[in-house]
Amino acid sequence: DQQVKQNSPSLSVQEGRISILNCDYTNSMFDYFLWYKKYPAEGPTFLISISSIKDKNEDGRFTVFLNKSAKHLSLHIVPSQPGDSAVYFCAASGEYGNKLVFGAGTILRVKS
Amino acid sequence: GAGVSQTPSNKVTEKGKYVELRCDPISGHTALYWYRQSLGQGPEFLIYFQGTGAADDSGLPNDRFFAVRPEGSVSTLKIQRTERGDSAVYLCASSSGTGWNTGELFFGEGSRLTVL
Repeated sequence: DQQVKQNSPSLSVQEGRISILNCDYTNSMFDYFLWYKKYPAEGPTFLISISSIKDKNEDGRFTVFLNKSAKHLSLHIVPSQPGDSAVYFCAASGEYGNKLVFGAGTILRVKS
Repeated sequence: GAGVSQTPSNKVTEKGKYVELRCDPISGHTALYWYRQSLGQGPEFLIYFQGTGAADDSGLPNDRFFAVRPEGSVSTLKIQRTERGDSAVYLCASSSGTGWNTGELFFGEGSRLTVL
C-alpha cells in the first residue's frame, strides 16, 4: 500500500530550465509534506517543506506547491543547475513529524 | 563530526548470522530514527526513539529486528538470523524535535548490509 507515490522514476532537464517533480498521496491524515534530496553514497538531506494549511512555500530556487483536494504536491526548481542532479524524495507525515512516509524517488538529471 | 555517524558503512554477512549497526546522532538531538532503503525504493520507517525509549517500533518487520538506545544518544540496530531479504541500506536520522517538529530529519550516510 503505497501512501506516497512518485510516478516518474526519472526526469531530464536542460540547465536553466524549470524542473517539476510530482508527488501524490492517498492518506488524508497527512498534514506535513517534505522534499529530500539525495546524492549517491550520501544520506538524504532536507530541502523544503510545507504544512497542509498552506498551498505554497518558496525558498530561493525551490518552490513546493500543495493541492490538498487533489492530494498532490509538486517541487519546482528554477533555474535548474547541474548540481541539482540527484534523487528527490517526497515524504509526508501525519503526526508531529514522526514516521515520515517516503515515495520511491525521482532521479533528476540536469544537462549542461 | 557534526553530522549523524553510522558504522559500519558496509557489512557483508552470511545468511543466519547476527549483525549490529551503530548510529551516533547529532549531539543534543533527542529524537532518533531508523529507516531501511531497498534498491529502487524510498526509505521505509523502522523505529523511532525519543530519548532512551522506543516511542514507535511499528515499522520493525519481525522479531528478528531489535534496536536500543540505552543512554539516549548512540543507538544500535540488531538483526538476528539474517536473511537475504534483509539486504538494504539502513539509514539513521536524528532531530531535535519533541512533540511537534518540522519533520526535518538529519540522515547519516547509511550502513549497506549485504546478506549472502
